Amino acid sequence: QQPVQSPQAVILREGEDAVINCSSSKALYSVHWYRQKHGEAPVFLMILLKGGEQKGHDKISASFNEKKQQSSLYLTASQLSYSGTYFCGTRYSGTYKYIFGTGTRLKVLA
Amino acid sequence: DTAVSQTPKYLVTQMGNDKSIKCEQNLGHDTMYWYKQDSKKFLKIMFSYNNKELIINETVPNRFSPKSPDKAHLNLHINSLELGDSAVYFCASSLGTDNGQPQHFGDGTRLSIL
Repeated sequence: QQPVQSPQAVILREGEDAVINCSSSKALYSVHWYRQKHGEAPVFLMILLKGGEQKGHDKISASFNEKKQQSSLYLTASQLSYSGTYFCGTRYSGTYKYIFGTGTRLKVLA
Repeated sequence: DTAVSQTPKYLVTQMGNDKSIKCEQNLGHDTMYWYKQDSKKFLKIMFSYNNKELIINETVPNRFSPKSPDKAHLNLHINSLELGDSAVYFCASSLGTDNGQPQHFGDGTRLSIL
């Protein structure tokens, strides 16, 4: 039931773009995105609640497909500070249980 | 002011010992969580309390016992520690159980079992 993220890892040069996907076999109530830098706590980035929704701030944005089974996180013109592990998180219908995705390690090189 | 604080930050102990980790949040949130992050970085929910009431109790050995004395505190006691308990334990809180509420994490407690 754990959402699967792809790719598992990605290396970029500063200024390049990246897309991280979060896929589920069941419809998600919502999807949350977090970034965790090495040795630190996960930090909330954004939430998407509705199918077809897109939102973003600065150069990080995300989308949620109509069927609510996939979300993508878009990182444009990446900066060194974007390095870390990105997690999607969700809760399925009828449960309080919160589940994080498998994680995507992103490293931005100068 | 730290929003979600955990103590201790590091815990090194021997197999068989009993230890506790404390968590406090000053955000006025109703819901608190304990997560375990293993060496592969998977984040897995262990327990959740809403207004001091246990709402999530995952398949966790009964050596692990959470306790919430009030809404702002959620502690984790672990009996008879085993090698497999080595991990980073994160406390988190959210405004409530509503789907639209983000979680705020503490800095984690790095538990190492010798």
